Amino acid sequence: EIVLTQSPGTLSLSPGERATLSCRASQSVSNNYLAWYQQKPGQAPRLLIYGASSRATGIPDRFSGSGSGTDFTLTISRLEPEDFAVYYCQHHDTFGQGTKVEIK
Amino acid sequence: EVQLVESGGGLVKPGGSLRLSCAASGFTFSSFSMLWVRQAPGKGLEWVSSIVGSDNMYYSDSVKGRFTISRDNSQNSLYLQMNSLRAEDTAVYYCARVHFYPSGTHYLDYWGQGTLVTVSS
Repeated sequence: EIVLTQSPGTLSLSPGERATLSCRASQSVSNNYLAWYQQKPGQAPRLLIYGASSRATGIPDRFSGSGSGTDFTLTISRLEPEDFAVYYCQHHDTFGQGTKVEIK
Repeated sequence: EVQLVESGGGLVKPGGSLRLSCAASGFTFSSFSMLWVRQAPGKGLEWVSSIVGSDNMYYSDSVKGRFTISRDNSQNSLYLQMNSLRAEDTAVYYCARVHFYPSGTHYLDYWGQGTLVTVSS
């Protein structure tokens, strides 16, 4: 079973800054089938990215995913106030432990 | 519009039972596999159980033998029967719709708002 390790645990940034979140897999992710979700307090997770780099319906283009094999990245080009949240990566039935993006 | 609405959560004593429901609308429910994910207070996401098609059920090791997933396509509903509940089962339980990649693994394209299960004496 693949283990997904996200880093950093917390990212402190200001609105307008660029956020770079990492998800590392313990073994190669087949066909780069990795997804990213955003979760705000008290809300359900929301799909952002699937297949490592495809944006889900309605997701702004400031969100982008990249990577292959064991190393994947979620980038938020310019943080908006509504982007401060926890982000999870996922492959098959495994989730990473999450990265919290907080306001600096 | 796709909607998933969970219900059935609440406070239950250790060893007790609870049945969660997830009402689906806005899509052809019978055409999609579904699953349950839970989130303990202040923790991350944990896969609990999946139903692929109508006949293939899968469970995490932590709930195997205690939880049963099922669905009623005529009612557009997904269920999770939870027996022998433990304190560590305390969590918000989400139902989610499965979207398969070509290879057979999946991502989750729609989620319900969750229902809280608290196991405590």
